[in-house]
Parts: sequence; C-alpha cells; structure tokens
Amino acid sequence: GEDVEQSLFLSVREGDSSVINCTYTDSSSTYLYWYKQEPGAGLQLLTYIFSNMDMKQDQRLTVLLNKKDKHLSLRIADTQTGDSAIYFCAEISGGGNKLTFGTGTQLKVEL
Amino acid sequence: GAGVSQTPSNKVTEKGKYVELRCDPISGHTALYWYRQSLGQGPEFLIYFQGTGAADDSGLPNDRFFAVRPEGSVSTLKIQRTERGDSAVYLCASSFLAGGTDTQYFGPGTRLTVL
Repeated sequence: GEDVEQSLFLSVREGDSSVINCTYTDSSSTYLYWYKQEPGAGLQLLTYIFSNMDMKQDQRLTVLLNKKDKHLSLRIADTQTGDSAIYFCAEISGGGNKLTFGTGTQLKVEL
Repeated sequence: GAGVSQTPSNKVTEKGKYVELRCDPISGHTALYWYRQSLGQGPEFLIYFQGTGAADDSGLPNDRFFAVRPEGSVSTLKIQRTERGDSAVYLCASSFLAGGTDTQYFGPGTRLTVL
C-alpha cells in the first residue's frame, strides 16, 4: 500500500530558506502535492508536481522530485513568520482520485 | 465565491450516539471527498463521490460509517453507534472534476469529540 513519510518538525530563522522533505513508496504516484495547514483552518494547496517533472518553481516555492529515490522536497525561500504552519505532502497514484497524505511537518519560524 | 463549508464546526457526543456531519461543496464541483484527520496525523481518505454515486468507499473504517450525496451537491457523513476512537477532525473536499490535476479544495472541517 501507499506510505508517505515526513520529518515531524523544522525550525528556521526568519529570512532563511526552509526545506521540508518527504518520501513515498508508491512507484505509480502520478501527482505529488504540498498542502499547508494553519491552526483552525482547512488545508490549502500550495503547489503540485507531475511525476515526469524534476522541478517546479512558483515564486518563493521550489519543489524538487527525485523519482528514482521517491523523494520530494519543498523549499521556501526567505521564510516569513506567516509561513509557520504544518506542511503535508500527498500523492495520487495510478488512476485514483484519493490523496494519501504524510504525517505533516510542523514549520516554526523564529525571529 | 464561497469555498467548501462544513457544519457543525464542532460536535460533542456521547459514546453510542448517532451523528451527522454536513458538507457543502463549491458550486459546480462534481467530485466530493471525505477525509478523517486524527490528532498529529495527516488526513486519511474515507470516501469519494462523483456526482451522486460513491465511486470509492474503500476508506470507510467499518459499517458504522455511511455517506450520501443524494442530489450531487451537499453530502452528509453519518456515523452510527459512535466510539471514542471516532474522535477526529472530519474534512470534506471538492473538485470540479476528478483526477490528479483537479485541485481538491478543503473545508475547515468538523471536529468530532466522542465522550
């Protein structure tokens, strides 16, 4: 079955770059996503990458995908206090429609 | 343009009771999803509707859980004989169609507490 893993916690200083990592096991994953969850709020889609891509950049966000190692990362440049949240990676495999989420990485941005 | 809404935002019930959780998807979205998020975990898939029919209910944990979407819009998740282990945040999402590039937009969730 599918399994998606993330480190639980990351702390960075404001202005530094943050890198959040994710590994997944399903080799048939077609789309991989990053969602952001702030306290009391719903999940917000940040970005996604198709499995035939290696990299995707969107303003301060850079997604890197190593399909051979089944490793996905999210880099946030110039991290701000408003970036403090829990970040989930998720994948959809094959022709399915359900998202399989990781356990989430709590990002804390310190002044 | 309203997003996905869920009611109630919080529900406290006693073990053994029946509860209904409601989801209003974004207007025009044909696909609707239910997920469950336990404390400290990522959301876990429960069921997915395409229109009125349940296209994939493989995530429902047991037959105490049931969901309907009779008119292809609003959906209700029903839990019978609630147990303390059912306590979680129940998330609803909708998408215009179904498929990998179709963004799933999530509601704020219903926090269910079973005493």
